[in-house]
Amino acid sequence: QQQVKQSPQSLIVQKGGISIINCAYENTAFDYFPWYQQFPGKGPALLIAIRPDVSEKKEGRFTISFNKSAKQFSLHIMDSQPGDSATYFCAASERGGSEKLVFGKGMKLTVNP
Amino acid sequence: SAVISQKPSRDICQRGTSLTIQCQVDSQVTMMFWYRQQPGQSLTLIATANQGSEATYESGFVIDKFPISRPNLTFSTLTVSNMSPEDSSIYLCSVVGEPAYEQYFGPGTRLTVT
Repeated sequence: QQQVKQSPQSLIVQKGGISIINCAYENTAFDYFPWYQQFPGKGPALLIAIRPDVSEKKEGRFTISFNKSAKQFSLHIMDSQPGDSATYFCAASERGGSEKLVFGKGMKLTVNP
Repeated sequence: SAVISQKPSRDICQRGTSLTIQCQVDSQVTMMFWYRQQPGQSLTLIATANQGSEATYESGFVIDKFPISRPNLTFSTLTVSNMSPEDSSIYLCSVVGEPAYEQYFGPGTRLTVT
């Protein structure tokens, strides 16, 4: 049973465009939702994370939107750049992030110049 | 954020042999995890490594195949035993930083079994 479903699996956008990645979860005990960025040959790097007490969090060009009732959250990358080309994973955890992470399947983003 | 190093960064091993992967953190952490990332796939938790107690393994992973040590709050090892080509993956350790409980990953160990 896949606890975190991520879509789309891949995305191609033009430089300057908006990239949107969606995730849905099933476990209502999840209360910490991070996004990771992974470049080939590297470990995942924490991009931004949100907890259910807020519906949106923005850090630079990256914004998380969170809908608790729908059990969905999404990552928006504004003004996408070729350097953003990477694989993005959503994840979820219980107990505020102190428990194991359950990952989505990942989305490969390609930003064309 | 914590600085995490892993050794080796990559290795090519023959089937039937074992490889021990080291994870070193620059600060003391309570929670440490080991994940596996098969080629082109997402991350799957192997086990939680807790200092002072035995590791807790996820369904599908067993101690005989993936023994874990956690001798102190900055170091852990994962051994991949009796390897087969299906064990070819990236193995990643992660730690939970406090008090924000953000989870950080090491650079990974890329293992190829021939």
